[in-house]
Amino acid sequence: EAQVTQNPRYLITVTGKKLTVTCSQNMNHEYMSWYRQDPGLGLRQIYYSMNVEVTDKGDVPEGYKVSRKEKRNFPLILESPSPNQTSLYFCASSWGQGGTEAFFGQGTRLTVV
Amino acid sequence: AQSVAQPEDQVNVAEGNPLTVKCTYSVSGNPYLFWYVQYPNRGLQFLLKYITGDNLVKGSYGFEAEFNKSQTSFHLKKPSALVSDSALYFCAVRGGHGSSNTGKLIFGQGTTLQVKP
Repeated sequence: EAQVTQNPRYLITVTGKKLTVTCSQNMNHEYMSWYRQDPGLGLRQIYYSMNVEVTDKGDVPEGYKVSRKEKRNFPLILESPSPNQTSLYFCASSWGQGGTEAFFGQGTRLTVV
Repeated sequence: AQSVAQPEDQVNVAEGNPLTVKCTYSVSGNPYLFWYVQYPNRGLQFLLKYITGDNLVKGSYGFEAEFNKSQTSFHLKKPSALVSDSALYFCAVRGGHGSSNTGKLIFGQGTTLQVKP
């Protein structure tokens, strides 16, 4: 089954404690990205990757890092989380061009206290 | 700048009635338009898309959407709503025109659809 898998689904952490949210896809997609969803703002892109070892900033990259060492994995790293990073995070993958739809993970609800 | 607007935070309809969830967009060049649905505690699920051709696009679960180039709209419709259609709906346009970020999706703020029995 084609899918994007994120872990964990829920995470409560304290300010400043480094964390990683994993994302894996099994569709051999080249394009992967991270979005955050906040009420009234829709989804905003944090980082994206066009292929292995190729990553770039999206619209709201501050406070986040990513890596793409393998095609299937695209972890999101928060080196020093702050309360304003409390949000619902989605990983997505696609062929990244034209009319191809994106596939989304189940989401990670992060709370930073 | 490319953008998507969903003017209604919430749409309420009675079961069996037709529904419309509105979306307008602003993008340079030809748009690639999408609708996604999000059920509680779930990720976004693809419903339908417009690439080119027929302005009326049919998708999953009986949904359809009408592309209107002159009004830059892509409204989601269903002839007869079900209670199970209650969810959060997002309109999106593929951005990246003229940039290297060809896969980026630009989302509207979302519309909550409430279908009452």
